[in-house]
Amino acid sequence: EVQLVESGGGLVQPGGSLRLSCAASGFAFSSNSMNWVRQAPGKGLEWVSYISSSSTIYADSVKGRFTISRDNAKNSLYLQMSSLRDEDTAVYYCVRHRSGSTWGFDNWGQGTLVTVSS
Amino acid sequence: DIQMTQSPSSLSASVGDRVTITCRASQGISNYLAWFQQKPGKAPKSLIYDASSLQSGVPSKFSGSGSGTEFTLTISSLQPEDFATYYCQQYNRYPPTFGGGTKMEIK
Repeated sequence: EVQLVESGGGLVQPGGSLRLSCAASGFAFSSNSMNWVRQAPGKGLEWVSYISSSSTIYADSVKGRFTISRDNAKNSLYLQMSSLRDEDTAVYYCVRHRSGSTWGFDNWGQGTLVTVSS
Repeated sequence: DIQMTQSPSSLSASVGDRVTITCRASQGISNYLAWFQQKPGKAPKSLIYDASSLQSGVPSKFSGSGSGTEFTLTISSLQPEDFATYYCQQYNRYPPTFGGGTKMEIK
């Protein structure tokens, strides 16, 4: 069974930094591309970032501030967030890329809440 | 970016009803469309991909159709566990974008 478990969320001041983690199990993590998708409180879904074995891509809203990375030996995905803004407040989901698709998603973690507030 | 517009944004239905949700893309996306179900406080769950393919483990009461710019999700014989928010998502072009959601409530 595919499992994705996020951690690392919390309260951070504007301008601060936070690192999210996602522990993956139940599938060949190193062979799969991964994503972060976020959801502001009471709002819809917004794709944030993507990582494959050889490339990373970011939404314009986070480019230059967030860094996605992975450690295949630890079956883990990360999102380093810096220069955080109020509008980055959201639940952040770790999402597996659907194999063979361009930008499809299949399995989602339970999410971790990031609150940016002074 | 491709804009995805869902209608209605909310709907009330009764147990046993059949409902249809529509998703329109601002430009053609072939059949690169997915549907997700989200319950309060939970992560989205994949229901349909490639517009009409059922995700493994999802009951056949859920069905999707469409191509190009107009798509539908139909849920037959609603049960209490089906009342949730549904999102469409296009994955034809970067960046992937989602519809605003359709919140389904019990009448």
